[in-house]
Amino acid sequence: DAKTTQPPSMDCAEGRAANLPCNHSTISGNEYVYWYRQIHSQGPQYIIHGLKNNETNEMASLIITEDRKSSTLILPHATLRDTAVYYCIVRVAGGSEKLVFGKGMKLTVNP
Amino acid sequence: DARVTQTPRHKVTEMGQEVTMRCQPILGHNTVFWYRQTMMQGLELLAYFRNRAPLDDSGMPKDRFSAEMPDATLATLKIQPSEPRDSAVYFCASGLGSTGTRTDTQYFGPGTRLTVL
Repeated sequence: DAKTTQPPSMDCAEGRAANLPCNHSTISGNEYVYWYRQIHSQGPQYIIHGLKNNETNEMASLIITEDRKSSTLILPHATLRDTAVYYCIVRVAGGSEKLVFGKGMKLTVNP
Repeated sequence: DARVTQTPRHKVTEMGQEVTMRCQPILGHNTVFWYRQTMMQGLELLAYFRNRAPLDDSGMPKDRFSAEMPDATLATLKIQPSEPRDSAVYFCASGLGSTGTRTDTQYFGPGTRLTVL
């Protein structure tokens, strides 16, 4: 599975959009981009995933560049409850199903 | 609202004692994962099962750890004997398993916080 690179931390003001970047320059054509987050003392929570088209659900939007070497998770109106560690993971769907978590990125939403 | 449940939520034990952690996956999910999280190593996959059969336990110390699924509604992770370095939060996750489609989300339980003195 391809590796990802995320900044270690980011701050965002409550009510603003939070744009969380992820680099995955070695991604293969059959690898999806997944985002999970972990709020303090809880288990990781699935957010969204995509292959090459932009995706949106009730939690967030995922924008994947045309060359698929990077992506951005967008929380359109960040709240204090969005403060968490966000993990960007790439892996093959239909493969071993392992999720290999890196260090992730700590997002702090400030009032 | 279907959830993965784990028991106990907290466990403090002494070195050398046996520890058993339990997980009830979401009803209908056929894949169960065990992860361990520490400050130093982050989240690591220990083992996972599909339709109760172990698929991969390469992340698990074989000499002291064992994972089983006695039935479709129960997964267990056992440590015997426990050591201080086993102190961590152990997460169970379940999913529908991938059949070549995109629908392979993993749903995590709240974790068991283990402290071995």
